[in-house]
Amino acid sequence: ETGVTQSPTHLIKTRGQQVTLRCSSQSGHNTVSWYQQALGQGPQFIFQYYREEENGRGNFPPRFSGLQFPNYSSELNVNALELDDSALYLCASRLRQNTEAFFGQGTRLTVV
Amino acid sequence: GENVEQHPSTLSVQEGDSAVIKCTYSDSASNYFPWYKQELGKGPQLIIDIRSNVGEKKDQRIAVTLNKTAKHFSLHITETQPEDSAVYFCAANTLMFSGGYNKLIFGAGTRLAVHP
Repeated sequence: ETGVTQSPTHLIKTRGQQVTLRCSSQSGHNTVSWYQQALGQGPQFIFQYYREEENGRGNFPPRFSGLQFPNYSSELNVNALELDDSALYLCASRLRQNTEAFFGQGTRLTVV
Repeated sequence: GENVEQHPSTLSVQEGDSAVIKCTYSDSASNYFPWYKQELGKGPQLIIDIRSNVGEKKDQRIAVTLNKTAKHFSLHITETQPEDSAVYFCAANTLMFSGGYNKLIFGAGTRLAVHP
């Protein structure tokens, strides 16, 4: 067990809807990153939060947004869902930016 | 841009044989290289990692080697067991100078099947 927990584990949404995914990071880890993993592919970096501020973003549109809270837990919000947003969304926490990244079990999002 | 290539995409071995997975990275600024094992329905699990100031690291049946000059790193699993069957991902940690943050860039994965 990594100590990183995500909720929910599975979710089905309709195209155009909005979704919020949650992540509780490992104790003491102040850096949380979100990744999108399409079927059969490696995880792709969405963005990263460090001490409640977004400090890095990958090639994802602004409808992907997030938050990090004072206890370092985090949310990923996706607006105007598209069919291609169907994927496994992974949260990873790190003690510091250049240290080991520990992943949660992921949230499987299906957009219909 | 940054890229990590991983080979092979699938690997089938007999129990007890060795398995080798190879990755190549493009960004010479990459300084940390973790390997993850992902089982069906689960998140990636860190199994071993290596930093750019080290050429080789071993942990029981698994080892990782790094050739910084060639920008290659490899995962070696010896005495494979059926429970080693999973998808394995390599990754390279890169410092993004424009934003001052680190991110992991993943390979596409290798599906390893170990047959009894």
